[in-house]
Amino acid sequence: DGGITQSPKYLFRKEGQNVTLSCEQNLNHDAMYWYRQDPGQGLRLIYYSQIVNDFQKGDIAEGYSVSREKKESFPLTVTSAQKNPTAFYLCASSISGFTGELFFGEGSRLTVL
Amino acid sequence: GQQLNQSPQSMFIQEGEDVSMNCTSSSIFNTWLWYKQDPGEGPVLLIALYKAGELTSNGRLTAQFGITRKDSFLNISASIPSDVGIYFCAGQENNNNDMRFGAGTRLTVKP
Repeated sequence: DGGITQSPKYLFRKEGQNVTLSCEQNLNHDAMYWYRQDPGQGLRLIYYSQIVNDFQKGDIAEGYSVSREKKESFPLTVTSAQKNPTAFYLCASSISGFTGELFFGEGSRLTVL
Repeated sequence: GQQLNQSPQSMFIQEGEDVSMNCTSSSIFNTWLWYKQDPGEGPVLLIALYKAGELTSNGRLTAQFGITRKDSFLNISASIPSDVGIYFCAGQENNNNDMRFGAGTRLTVKP
């Protein structure tokens, strides 16, 4: 079945550590996105990529980094520079950049201890 | 960036009742989408709207793209317990601009 797979679903990190969240899609979509979700707030865009080897900062990119070496994969690294990293992270993809619907993964919940 | 105003924030209703929620924006949007998110899961698309005035149904769900292109509403008729979740609106000003999301409406349905 086609879809988006995020891993891990739950992750605990100590302060000062970097952590990488995985996102893989087999929908043959060109565009991929990372959103952050905090309680009572809408989804906020961290980074997006419209094509392989290219990505753009979203509204809240500080303290995060991404890579897009393959069409299917768009990993997100939460660095120690991110001041408040505890959140629910959602990866999404679409056929092309910001057109039509976004397909979301099941999310990864990161907790900093 | 431009955010959407979604209301109400939460709703507590009895099974069988109808539900209505809406989103407004200060700028004109070309696309409105409605998503539902179950606890601990990613949002799933319910309805997509691409034309001003468009009224689209998906089972018990009906959504409309406002004629001013600055608002959209979602109605759920005859609610059932599995309607519980958070409903998000999302809008896009034009192609190649990112999708903006409302803060969500948390729906609780009492059997």
